[in-house]
Amino acid sequence: QVQLVESGGGVVQAGRSLRLSCGASGFTFSSYGMHWVRQTPGKELEWVATIWADGAKSAYTDSVKGRFTISRDNSKDTLYLQMNSLRAEDTAVYYCARDVKWNPDYWGQGTLVTVSS
Amino acid sequence: QSALTQPASVSGSPGQSITISCTGTSTDIGTFNYVSWYQQHPGKAPKLMIYGVSNRPSGVSNRFSGSKSGNTASLTISGLQAEDEAHYYCVSYTTSTTWVFGGGTELTVL
Repeated sequence: QVQLVESGGGVVQAGRSLRLSCGASGFTFSSYGMHWVRQTPGKELEWVATIWADGAKSAYTDSVKGRFTISRDNSKDTLYLQMNSLRAEDTAVYYCARDVKWNPDYWGQGTLVTVSS
Repeated sequence: QSALTQPASVSGSPGQSITISCTGTSTDIGTFNYVSWYQQHPGKAPKLMIYGVSNRPSGVSNRFSGSKSGNTASLTISGLQAEDEAHYYCVSYTTSTTWVFGGGTELTVL
């Protein structure tokens, strides 16, 4: 069965960096695009970034462009999100999700990132 | 890219049908049939209920259905059950090669 497990969240000071990881199993990871989606304390879902299956292309929401980098290692079935220059408004639960037909289908359980000012 | 517009809350009695709307623009819902709906219970990850506007993944009850007209997508739940009480979110792919979510709708089963 499809399984996605996020890790790397925690409490970090504003301006610092954090790297999230998402381990995938139960499907051919290298055949699927992958998303990072975050859920704010107010429970809103916000799309963060997407990387295509071969890793050649990626897309970001405007608020994280230039600060966050999505990447993947298809040999390790792992997705990453490098987050630099973190801000208080980046505080959220971060989910990784698989893409099928241009939308997320399976989601991980999420990892909490708290940015303290 | 502004969030898709969903009602903050809807409610219904067991056995009734409810519909949740998700309004976008010509740059997202109006152009693509890449609209999905998710159910989220407290403390859980979102679960895919509808993809591609009206397709149900395997294992999702046929009480859930989706549709689209112009810039608005809709999720209908028929034969409402207590277990359907949850938050529901829509999402659409956009012409900017981005994705946009709705603000979420809290469904209360009376």
